[in-house]
Amino acid sequence: GNSVTQMEGPVTLSEEAFLTINCTYTATGYPSLFWYVQYPGEGLQLLLKATKADDKGSNKGFEATYRKETTSFHLEKGSVQVSDSAVYFCALILSGGYQKVTFGTGTKLQVIP
Amino acid sequence: DVKVTQSSRYLVKRTGEKVFLECVQDMDHENMFWYRQDPGLGLRLIYFSYDVKMKEKGDIPEGYSVSREKKERFSLILESASTNQTSMYLCASRRGENQPQHFGDGTRLSIL
Repeated sequence: GNSVTQMEGPVTLSEEAFLTINCTYTATGYPSLFWYVQYPGEGLQLLLKATKADDKGSNKGFEATYRKETTSFHLEKGSVQVSDSAVYFCALILSGGYQKVTFGTGTKLQVIP
Repeated sequence: DVKVTQSSRYLVKRTGEKVFLECVQDMDHENMFWYRQDPGLGLRLIYFSYDVKMKEKGDIPEGYSVSREKKERFSLILESASTNQTSMYLCASRRGENQPQHFGDGTRLSIL
């Protein structure tokens, strides 16, 4: 079946540090890949997406590149802020069928001043 | 912007009660979803609907049912609430194929 594996959290960084959150996937076809962010007390919001190999999604200083050869979609940001503290979810959708979304378990990021 | 509205942010019910969680979206989306979110388990799909009056079981449908009588509204029903259904419930909608989901703010449900 399809699956998404994220690095265990929590991740604690100082402000302005470089962020990487790892995400790898297993899928039977060619998925679209997403990163969602969940701020405290809120639902999930789409952060960025990529729909085919070598695509780079970017938003709010975050980036992720769809790597088919390593089945990865790692999230990066060059300089994190306290306001980036949240839970980050990697997810995939496969074309066809009912297109159920497969989510990772989430990685909590805490940025300290 | 798409707005997905869940009727309650917090809800406390008793074991054995029938519980209704309501979700409304305002963008004429075809697909709607119900998830529960638990620490260490991420999001698990309970049910989804790809059209009015259509529904499909997700990964953990036991103890739940759903209703979609109108396109904009998707209801989750706990037929006889139990303590292991204490959780955060998230509703989402999606326009169509390969599109991202838009989430509500969630309902934190406690079953006593």
